[in-house]
Amino acid sequence: GIQVEQSPPDLILQEGANSTLRCNFSDSVNNLQWFHQNPWGQLINLFYIPSGTKQNGRLSATTVATERYSLLYISSSQTTDSGVYFCAVGPQGIQGAQKLVFGQGTRLTINP
Amino acid sequence: EAQVTQNPRYLITVTGKKLTVTCSQNMNHEYMSWYRQDPGLGLRQIYYSMNVEVTDKGDVPEGYKVSRKEKRNFPLILESPSPNQTSLYFCASSERYLRWTDTQYFGPGTRLTVL
Repeated sequence: GIQVEQSPPDLILQEGANSTLRCNFSDSVNNLQWFHQNPWGQLINLFYIPSGTKQNGRLSATTVATERYSLLYISSSQTTDSGVYFCAVGPQGIQGAQKLVFGQGTRLTINP
Repeated sequence: EAQVTQNPRYLITVTGKKLTVTCSQNMNHEYMSWYRQDPGLGLRQIYYSMNVEVTDKGDVPEGYKVSRKEKRNFPLILESPSPNQTSLYFCASSERYLRWTDTQYFGPGTRLTVL
C-alpha cells in the first residue's frame, strides 16, 4: 500500500519562528489533507490540498503531486500551534475514496 | 453546530467485557469511518461505511464490529476486548463516498483502556 513519511518527527522552536513540515508519499493520490492534533487530542482539519497552494492566515500548504510531496508552512509561530501535525493521503483509484492513510506526524513544540 | 460526537470519551474496562463506542454526526454525511491511534503507528482505519447498511473493513478490523442502521450513527463494537485494543479511537465522517474533494471531520476521540 501507499507509504506516507513525514519529517522532521520532532521540531522545537521559539515563539515567532517560522517552520516547514514535509510530507512525502509513495504513490499518486486523489486526496491529501493536513491535520493538527492539539494537546487535548482533537484532530482539526487544516487543508484539503491534493495539488497546488493554499493559505489560511499564518498557515499555508503546497502540494507538488508530480513529485509526491506536500509542505506545510507555519509563520510567526505561537504557543497554540503546538501539537502534532499529520499528513493524510487518499490513494488514487476506488480505494482512495474509502480511507485516508496517515503519516506518523510531526510533533511541534513552540516555546514562549 | 456541525459536529461529530463520540461517547464515551474515556473508558476503562476489563478483558472480555463487551462494549460499544457510539459515533454520531449531524451533517447528513454519507461516509463514516473509525480509526485507532497508537504511539509510533499514527492513525489506522478500522472500518468504514459508505452509506446505510454498507460497511467494509479497513486496515485493522480484527476484534471489531460496526453497524450502520441510520445515516447519522456508526457505533464501534468490541465483542470481547483485549489489552491490545487499548488505544485512542476516532470516528470521522465526510459528505459523500467517491467525492475526492471531501474533507473528513473527526470526532473528539475515545480513550479506551482494556485491563
